[in-house]
Amino acid sequence: GENVGLHLPTLSVQEGDNSIINCAYSNSASDYFIWYKQESGKGPQFIIDIRSNMDKRQGQRVTVLLNKTVKHLSLQIAATQPGDSAVYFCAENISNSGGSNYKLTFGKGTLLTVNP
Amino acid sequence: DAGITQSPRHKVTETGTPVTLRCHQTENHRYMYWYRQDPGHGLRLIHYSYGVKDTDKGEVSDGYSVSRSKTEDFLLTLESATSSQTSVYFCAIRGGGTDTQYFGPGTRLTVL
Repeated sequence: GENVGLHLPTLSVQEGDNSIINCAYSNSASDYFIWYKQESGKGPQFIIDIRSNMDKRQGQRVTVLLNKTVKHLSLQIAATQPGDSAVYFCAENISNSGGSNYKLTFGKGTLLTVNP
Repeated sequence: DAGITQSPRHKVTETGTPVTLRCHQTENHRYMYWYRQDPGHGLRLIHYSYGVKDTDKGEVSDGYSVSRSKTEDFLLTLESATSSQTSVYFCAIRGGGTDTQYFGPGTRLTVL
């Protein structure tokens, strides 16, 4: 939503720099993680995901790193562009003995501002 | 675009009035979700559905009800809107065969 950037941690970078956005998760049983991008006035948009049996996954200009030891997830954006300005948040899924619980838990997000 | 539309996109209403928000999907997904998004909070789950007429509560379900009479439509109803329900509401679907959720464009609801 339009006010989703309020009260959030912020990261300001120069165009062309690399950005790193971090997310700490709380449940060691989480086994699937997603990064979303949300631009002002729009719905969250899927960027990249990773399962807990992986440490790293790469997409186009984005890389997600997962450190299960410290329960930490990061999103790296290469050569950040003004169009990357948005709120970024992580989500986690916890499977149970019956499989996925089909629900995600979302972080509050980080506001990324890219200066031209 | 996961083929999700929400209506209305904006609504202003008065306290005590009933409000229904509609989520429509075109890809026959089984799971659908309603969230609210407020400053200072992550997305919070209101209700979700795992099939026609199969629904369950989320973490912030008080004051909300849902219905799903056909696969493509998931309705969220505020029986008697309150100012605390002023928010942006998002519908989501669970992508087939994955745990990924894809979101609609949102509905901004203001309760005066």
